[in-house]
Amino acid sequence: GAVVSQHPSRVICKSGTSVKIECRSLDFQATTMFWYRQFPKKSLMLMATSNEGSKATYEQGVEKDKFLINHASLTLSTLTVTSAHPEDSSFYICSARSLLRGALTDTQYFGPGTRLTVL
Amino acid sequence: DAKTTQPPSMDCAEGRAANLPCNHSTISGNEYVYWYRQIHSQGPQYIIHGLKNNETNEMASLIITEDRKSSTLILPHATLRDTAVYYCIVRNTGTASKLTFGTGTRLQVTL
Repeated sequence: GAVVSQHPSRVICKSGTSVKIECRSLDFQATTMFWYRQFPKKSLMLMATSNEGSKATYEQGVEKDKFLINHASLTLSTLTVTSAHPEDSSFYICSARSLLRGALTDTQYFGPGTRLTVL
Repeated sequence: DAKTTQPPSMDCAEGRAANLPCNHSTISGNEYVYWYRQIHSQGPQYIIHGLKNNETNEMASLIITEDRKSSTLILPHATLRDTAVYYCIVRNTGTASKLTFGTGTRLQVTL
């Protein structure tokens, strides 16, 4: 299967600071990446869809000025949480879409997640 | 994308087959059934997907009913490491499609 990495895996920051999370597809190119957020004991909630070379598409209720997404290359997307507050503390997970050789349909592969704690 | 219904939790003895059901009665013809699992504090892991034929890979088997309104994920010999939340997701293959997660089934594998 395809491998997706995230960095950092864990980050603690002070309220009001900005935090950048990187998502990389290691062995495939991904024109589309996705960012999810997961609160404790809850399911994953899609935040935005990131397309290489164009602006991200945000889900309803997600502030685009707070969660900045940049998909600068076919293997890298970044999520920046600006002016973070304690309520932004969550588990952030990225995903990349891949069409493996011989497959008829594409599949989304997920990174290991980044746990953000805002003090 | 069609919604799915899964039992909230299931138990399975180690070494036995785990059969996880999923209902997707409103699935349309161009929608695939995907299964993922999420082990605690990790990102979801892709397991398998299918359209209408049964599928098998090194992790699991996917059985889809003829009318495609339900499916079953089978882990043939469950181990303690298979304890996780299993998500059944229906999704079309258009470029604008995306995975929408429900609440899944929490599978507990016990000794």
